[in-house]
Amino acid sequence: KAGVTQTPRYLIKTRGQQVTLSCSPISGHRSVSWYQQTPGQGLQFLFEYFSETQRNKGNFPGRFSGRQFSNSRSEMNVSTLELGDSALYLCASSLGGHTEAFFGQGTRLTVV
Amino acid sequence: GESVGLHLPTLSVQEGDNSIINCAYSNSASDYFIWYKQESGKGPQFIIDIRSNMDKRQGQRVTVLLNKTVKHLSLQIAATQPGDSAVYFCAENEGLYGQNFVFGPGTRLSVLP
Repeated sequence: KAGVTQTPRYLIKTRGQQVTLSCSPISGHRSVSWYQQTPGQGLQFLFEYFSETQRNKGNFPGRFSGRQFSNSRSEMNVSTLELGDSALYLCASSLGGHTEAFFGQGTRLTVV
Repeated sequence: GESVGLHLPTLSVQEGDNSIINCAYSNSASDYFIWYKQESGKGPQFIIDIRSNMDKRQGQRVTVLLNKTVKHLSLQIAATQPGDSAVYFCAENEGLYGQNFVFGPGTRLSVLP
């Protein structure tokens, strides 16, 4: 059974640009969550999607948005990139609710 | 949101010894917890979970203990091996519906030969 797949693995963008990250969950999983990991702030929850609906949202500005497609694949978008957005962005998939959440390898975003 | 865990400490143990990693959580309403292991350059790897209606759960070489009275979680690793060296995170699910995990800062486990 394939795990959670995130693309691309690495990305370099310039301040002010926007970026889209992709996550393919484990087959059968309908919940996809996104997290930002930085050395200073650790792992922070961005949002969760379930059956194409955002179900939970963390404390991030509106520049961070996401969506989920009917096949449960999810994308995350960051607009007007700032240097502080440089981080490892992780996606986790699960069956939803209080069940195991499995992470992908992450996308390393560097903003210059 | 509320934070889980302590500042990132380092735990060094001798190969073959047992390891105990601790975590404090702050939301008494959280009812589902997961321990993750993260190796350098990789995403967090699921180790074991526990629901709040339990106080202990065992897996292969790992045991999680939950003390709801003092809002404390611990992960015990038996016969620690070099491959166990990593950063370990506890996470509590604050989402009433679905998932909204709050992660602790992590503990770095170093296994000495």
